[in-house]
Formats: sequence, structure tokens, C-alpha cells
Amino acid sequence: DQQVKQNSPSLSVQEGRISILNCDYTNSMFDYFLWYKKYPAEGPTFLISISSIKDKNEDGRFTVFLNKSAKHLSLHIVPSQPGDSAVYFCAASGTGGFKTIFGAGTRLFVKA
Amino acid sequence: SAVISQKPSRDICQRGTSLTIQCQVDSQVTMMFWYRQQPGQSLTLIATANQGSEATYESGFVIDKFPISRPNLTFSTLTVSNMSPEDSSIYLCSMGQQGNRFGNQPQHFGDGTRLSIL
Repeated sequence: DQQVKQNSPSLSVQEGRISILNCDYTNSMFDYFLWYKKYPAEGPTFLISISSIKDKNEDGRFTVFLNKSAKHLSLHIVPSQPGDSAVYFCAASGTGGFKTIFGAGTRLFVKA
Repeated sequence: SAVISQKPSRDICQRGTSLTIQCQVDSQVTMMFWYRQQPGQSLTLIATANQGSEATYESGFVIDKFPISRPNLTFSTLTVSNMSPEDSSIYLCSMGQQGNRFGNQPQHFGDGTRLSIL
């Protein structure tokens, strides 16, 4: 049972445009959500997070939006740069002792 | 932030053998975890490495197959025992600082060990 789903295995975007990566979750007990970025032959690195008490969190070019009623979050990258090309993992956890659950990842290609 | 060194970075092993993966952190950390990422799949938690006591395994993972050691707060090992082709995966260690077992804090990952079983 996949509690965190990233339905798009890959996404291709032109440099300078917006990249939107989507993530859906099923467990309403999740209250903390994270995005990680992973380059080949490296481990995932933390990118940005959001608590369930917020619906938006912004850090430079990266913004995460959370829609609790739809159990959906998205990561927006504006403007996209070729160095953003990587695999992006969505993850969810909860203070109730719920372990962090990762999605399968979306591979982003930013074309110059 | 803390630096995590994981080795080996990759290995090709024969069926039936065992391999031990090491994870070294450059500062003391409360929580260390071991994950597996099978091809095209998400990161799946194998176990939480507990300092000075037996690891806490997730459903579907057992100590006989994946023995874990954590002799101190900066080091842990994961052994993949009696390997079969189905064990071909990337294995990653990670660390977190929170006392809560899973907490609401990001984790920091090692670069992973890419394991191929022939």
C-alpha cells in the first residue's frame, strides 16, 4: 500500500520555466511533509518542508504547497535551471510515531 | 551539517555471500537509519539502528537477513546476508537528531551503496 505517491516518473521543462512536481498521500495522520533532491551516485538531500498547519512554504526558487483536504502537495521551482535536473522525492511523516514514508520519486530534466 | 560517509559505494557480489556496509558520521547523532531503494521504487526503511541495543526492524525485514550494529553514536553497519539477486538495490544510511523515533526533522543521507548480486 503506497501511502505516498508520485504519479509522474519523469518531467521535462525548459530552462527558465516553472517546474511543478506533484505528490499525493493517503494517511490523514501525516502532519509533516518534505521534499528531497537526489543526484546520481549521491544520497538524497533535504530541500524544503512544510508542516500541516501551513499551506505554503517558500525558500528562494522553491515553494511547496499543501492542500490537506485533497491530501496533495506540490513543489514549484521557478525559474528552473539545468542544475535542478535530479530525482525529487516527496516524503511524509507524523508526530504520532509515524515513520517517514517516501514516494518513488520524479526525475526532472531541465533543458537549456 | 554532519557529514555521513558510507562505504563501499558499490559492489558486485556472488549469490549466497554476505556484505557489510559501513556508515560513519563525523559527529554524534541520536538516530541512525538504514534504507533500501530497489530499482524504480521508493526508499524503504529497513531498520533504526539503536546505540548499544538491538536494532528496531520494520515489517518485512528481519535481523537474520539484515543484521545491524551500532557500537557508538557515530558508526553503524548493515550486513546483507546470504544474498540473492532480489537483494540488488541501493542501500542508504541516514541520520536524524530528534529523540522522537521518526520526528519532524529532515534526515541526512549517505551517498548509498549500490549492490548487485550475480
